[in-house]
Amino acid sequence: GAVVSQHPSWVICKSGTSVKIECRSLDFQATTMFWYRQFPKQSLMLMATSNEGSKATYEQGVEKDKFLINHASLTLSTLTVTSAHPEDSSFYICSARDLGTGTGRSWYQPQHFGDGTRLSIL
Amino acid sequence: AQSVTQLDSHVSVSEGTPVLLRCNYSSSYSPSLFWYVQHPNKGLQLLLKYTSAATLVKGINGFEAEFKKSETSFHLTKPSAHMSDAAEYFCVVSVMDSSYKLIFGSGTRLLVRP
Repeated sequence: GAVVSQHPSWVICKSGTSVKIECRSLDFQATTMFWYRQFPKQSLMLMATSNEGSKATYEQGVEKDKFLINHASLTLSTLTVTSAHPEDSSFYICSARDLGTGTGRSWYQPQHFGDGTRLSIL
Repeated sequence: AQSVTQLDSHVSVSEGTPVLLRCNYSSSYSPSLFWYVQHPNKGLQLLLKYTSAATLVKGINGFEAEFKKSETSFHLTKPSAHMSDAAEYFCVVSVMDSSYKLIFGSGTRLLVRP
C-alpha cells in the first residue's frame, strides 16, 4: 500500500530555534501534499497545501512566514517552523494525495498520512 | 459545500460486541467519503472509502460502512470489537474541486472494555 514517511517523529527544542519536518511518499508520486496541525483530543486542522514546483497555499490564519513549506520533488515536502515558541508545540501531520491510476475523478483518491511529528518547544 | 458530522464523541463497547460509529454528511453532489483511524501519537490510517461504485463498502480489519443517500449517512460498523480497535475514528469527506482538500469530522473515540 501507499506509504508516507514523516521525520522526525518527536522533537524537543529550545524557544527561538527552527525545526524542519520532512514528509516523503515512499512508493507513489504526490504532486500535492497537505500539512495539518492537531491539538490534543481534537480533529485535524489543515494548515496548508503543498504543491510540487510552486508556492504553497495557506489556510486563513496560518502565518506563511512562520510555517515555511517547500515541495521540491514529487516525493518530498518539508515544513519548517521558524523561530519556534512554546505556542507552536503541537502534533503535526502530513498527507500525500495518491495520483492514482487509470480514469476516474481525482477527488476519489484517498490521502495517505504520515505518522506525525510531536513538536515540543521549551 | 461539503461537511460531515460525527454524532458521538465517545463510544464504549465490550470486546466481542458490535461497533457502530455514526456519521452524517452534507454534500450537493455525490460525495467521496472516507473513514480513517488514528491510534495514540500516530498518523491516520485509511479504513475504507466510498466512491459511488457500491453502497456497502468493506474495509480493513473487519470494518465496513454503508452509504445511505436517503439518510445522508455513512455509518461505520464492525460485527465484533477487538481490544486493538480502541482508537480515534474520523469520518472524512473530500472537497470536490481542484483543491483536493479533506473535511474532517470531529472524531469519535472508541473505547473497548475487556
